[in-house]
Amino acid sequence: AQSVAQPEDQVNVAEGNPLTVKCTYSVSGNPYLFWYVQYPNRGLQFLLKYITGDNLVKGSYGFEAEFNKSQTSFHLKKPSALVSDSALYFCAVIPLDGSGNTGKLIFGQGTTLQVKP
Amino acid sequence: DVKVTQSSRYLVKRTGEKVFLECVQDMDHENMFWYRQDPGLGLRLIYFSYDVKMKEKGDIPEGYSVSREKKERFSLILESASTNQTSMYLCASSFSGHEAFFGQGTRLTVV
Repeated sequence: AQSVAQPEDQVNVAEGNPLTVKCTYSVSGNPYLFWYVQYPNRGLQFLLKYITGDNLVKGSYGFEAEFNKSQTSFHLKKPSALVSDSALYFCAVIPLDGSGNTGKLIFGQGTTLQVKP
Repeated sequence: DVKVTQSSRYLVKRTGEKVFLECVQDMDHENMFWYRQDPGLGLRLIYFSYDVKMKEKGDIPEGYSVSREKKERFSLILESASTNQTSMYLCASSFSGHEAFFGQGTRLTVV
């Protein structure tokens, strides 16, 4: 079955420190990969995506993500965390079928990021 | 800006009622989605539509149906609401292969 795993329910970091939120996937082919963020009482916002090309992609608010095909991972990173980065983060994939992408978007269970002053 | 609008932010319904959740997008996206969000379970796909009148079951379609008669509108129907359908429901739309845009969500409580 196609799935996305975020192994950590919560990640705690101190402000100014680097952060990593982990994501691994299990889908066939070369999927499209996404990160979304959800602030309290807000809808989901798109952060960044990987389609092809450079394994390191940059997105909104200083976030970046590294695609690793051999490890089927797409970890979200930021060099220096801010308190305002505290939110719920979701990894998502679009699996590709034999004729191309399906458009069907599958999410992981989410990771709560807590950045402390 | 892309806008995905869900008809209600909060909804309270009684067990056994038929419930309609409406979603409208204004970007001519071919794909539309309904998810439910529960703590610790992330976003689980209920149904996905890739064109008018076309639909595909997601991971948890039981107890739900959908309707897409027009490209911009995607409706989620709870045929007979039950308390275990109390949840946050999120609608989204996208072009194939691109990021999805989400509505603000409908928090449904079934009593």
